[in-house]
Amino acid sequence: AQSVTQLDSHVSVSEGTPVLLRCNYSSSYSPSLFWYVQHPNKGLQLLLKYTSAATLVKGINGFEAEFKKSETSFHLTKPSAHMSDAAEYFCVVSGRGSNTGKLIFGQGTTLQVKP
Amino acid sequence: DTEVTQTPKHLVMGMTNKKSLKCEQHMGHRAMYWYKQKAKKPPELMFVYSYEKLSINESVPSRFSPECPNSSLLNLHLHALQPEDSALYLCASSREAGSDEQFFGPGTRLTVL
Repeated sequence: AQSVTQLDSHVSVSEGTPVLLRCNYSSSYSPSLFWYVQHPNKGLQLLLKYTSAATLVKGINGFEAEFKKSETSFHLTKPSAHMSDAAEYFCVVSGRGSNTGKLIFGQGTTLQVKP
Repeated sequence: DTEVTQTPKHLVMGMTNKKSLKCEQHMGHRAMYWYKQKAKKPPELMFVYSYEKLSINESVPSRFSPECPNSSLLNLHLHALQPEDSALYLCASSREAGSDEQFFGPGTRLTVL
């Protein structure tokens, strides 16, 4: 079975400071991992994905994530937060085996950006 | 075109109404999905269509009835809903079911009175 744990339900940063959103995963298969962002009353937008190529993955809007197999982590970072980054962020692992065709979502992290 | 579109954006319906949600994609994807999302929660998978055939039904009540008329269109027919069915309904598509990346539409905000 696969699972995802987002370690913080809420993260607050000041504009211009770094962002770190933490995600741990569990998968008995070689995982495909994603970060999606959801702005209020909008759909989900893919920020970046890891599919067993480079362990440091660059995404849109200056976000990146590093896959660390030894730590089963896939943390999302950005060097400098912008007000427009305030949103809900979901770490996701792709289902395998009996979960093929499904995305396994973390519970989400709300990012607040203060001026 | 890398977009999934959904109509309507908002829908208010009574418990005795029949309504439908519509989803469309023109990316040539062969898998399409319906999700339900409550406030402050991740999306919950409802149905998966693969090559226009229903492949996954996550034990969704029969008052929700999906339909895939062709490879670009996905409908969700609603009948005799309950107030607790009020939620954001998201459609998504992917190249194939089990191919990893899903593209999401903006959702339909449903309110059941």
